[in-house]
Amino acid sequence: KAGVTQTPRYLIKTRGQQVTLSCSPISGHRSVSWYQQTPGQGLQFLFEYFSETQRNKGNFPGRFSGRQFSNSRSEMNVSTLELGDSALYLCASSLMTGEGAEAFFGQGTRLTVV
Amino acid sequence: EDQVTQSPEALRLQEGESSSLNCSYTVSGLRGLFWYRQDPGKGPEFLFTLYSAGEEKEKERLKATLTKKESFLHITAPKPEDSATYLCAVFTSGTYKYIFGTGTRLKVLA
Repeated sequence: KAGVTQTPRYLIKTRGQQVTLSCSPISGHRSVSWYQQTPGQGLQFLFEYFSETQRNKGNFPGRFSGRQFSNSRSEMNVSTLELGDSALYLCASSLMTGEGAEAFFGQGTRLTVV
Repeated sequence: EDQVTQSPEALRLQEGESSSLNCSYTVSGLRGLFWYRQDPGKGPEFLFTLYSAGEEKEKERLKATLTKKESFLHITAPKPEDSATYLCAVFTSGTYKYIFGTGTRLKVLA
């Protein structure tokens, strides 16, 4: 069974640009969550999507947005990039939402903003 | 406010030297406590889920336990390949999201 796939693995962007990250969940999983991981803050929850609807949102500015498609694949977009957005962005998929089910992570996208 | 605290931040062990990692939590309505292992540059790898106080789970040299206020990850006779960051997370009915601790960086020396 294939795991969670995130693309691209690495990205270098310039301040002010925008970026789109992609996540393909485990087959059959309908919940996709996104996290930002930095050395100082650890894993911070961005948002969760289930059946194409955003179910929960963390404390991030509106520059961070996402969406989910009918096949459960998800994308995350960050507009007007700032240096502080440099981080490992992780996607996790779960079978259901709101049930405390196990979340399985992808390898992440390492974003560097210069 | 829901909170998860892991200790110690870093731990160095000799191969074969058993120890425990701690995850203490203050949450409303715990729906599950999760342990993950993360290697540098990779995503967290799922290890265990614990749902109620008194529950224990084992996998190879790892054993996770849960009380009403904390969870322990016991590592018995660790090997160098157990070196990683171990993350604890809770899922609560109050926030309906996973809240992660900052992790314990474990280094096992041969």
